[in-house]
Amino acid sequence: GAGVSQSPSNKVTEKGKDVELRCDPISGHTALYWYRQSLGQGLEFLIYFQGNSAPDKSGLPSDRFSAERTGGSVSTLTIQRTQQEDSAVYLCASSLYREAFFGQGTRLTVV
Amino acid sequence: GQQLNQSPQSMFIQEGEDVSMNCTSSSIFNTWLWYKQDPGEGPVLLIALYKAGELTSNGRLTAQFGITRKDSFLNISASIPSDVGIYFCTHTRTYSGAGSYQLTFGKGTKLSVIP
Repeated sequence: GAGVSQSPSNKVTEKGKDVELRCDPISGHTALYWYRQSLGQGLEFLIYFQGNSAPDKSGLPSDRFSAERTGGSVSTLTIQRTQQEDSAVYLCASSLYREAFFGQGTRLTVV
Repeated sequence: GQQLNQSPQSMFIQEGEDVSMNCTSSSIFNTWLWYKQDPGEGPVLLIALYKAGELTSNGRLTAQFGITRKDSFLNISASIPSDVGIYFCTHTRTYSGAGSYQLTFGKGTKLSVIP
């Protein structure tokens, strides 16, 4: 597609369950970023990929969070044993140089 | 760590008024980017600035890269209702040897336009 695509757009899950969030970046973009945005807050950096490797995963809040990227393209953010404080919008962005382009986000609600 | 301060945090203005917001950083950076986020959407890139002193316009939007390389401002002229949203500044820094970039975002300026 022409833009960054994220799925699902909305996810409601029970506390303790695992969830997977998917990001399809713009074709050819080598860099991929994940951010988290809580209600009314700014963008919290989670992890950055260059190709399939993650030179910066310093923003992952706990070991329940992990991410991978395969084929230099699709990325999956996995949250294990979800907690209510994980409820937020998870945004993915991709870039080729310095300008990043965002998807519409996945709204995660943990009940 | 890097500090990126964005102000004001929120603004309420009348339609037709001009708006100004700014970002300051504790460090020197090579790029400033301004994004706008509409409710329920991801941020959209508005303007990119690449060198100190650069002044760039995009329609009613004007942004400048501060001469000290530690700040940037965004002006919106003659505001309209669709300008409502959250405006984020971000700067980039390169990862050592990787030829790639980290984006650090300010907390945003929430703009409300009163018709």
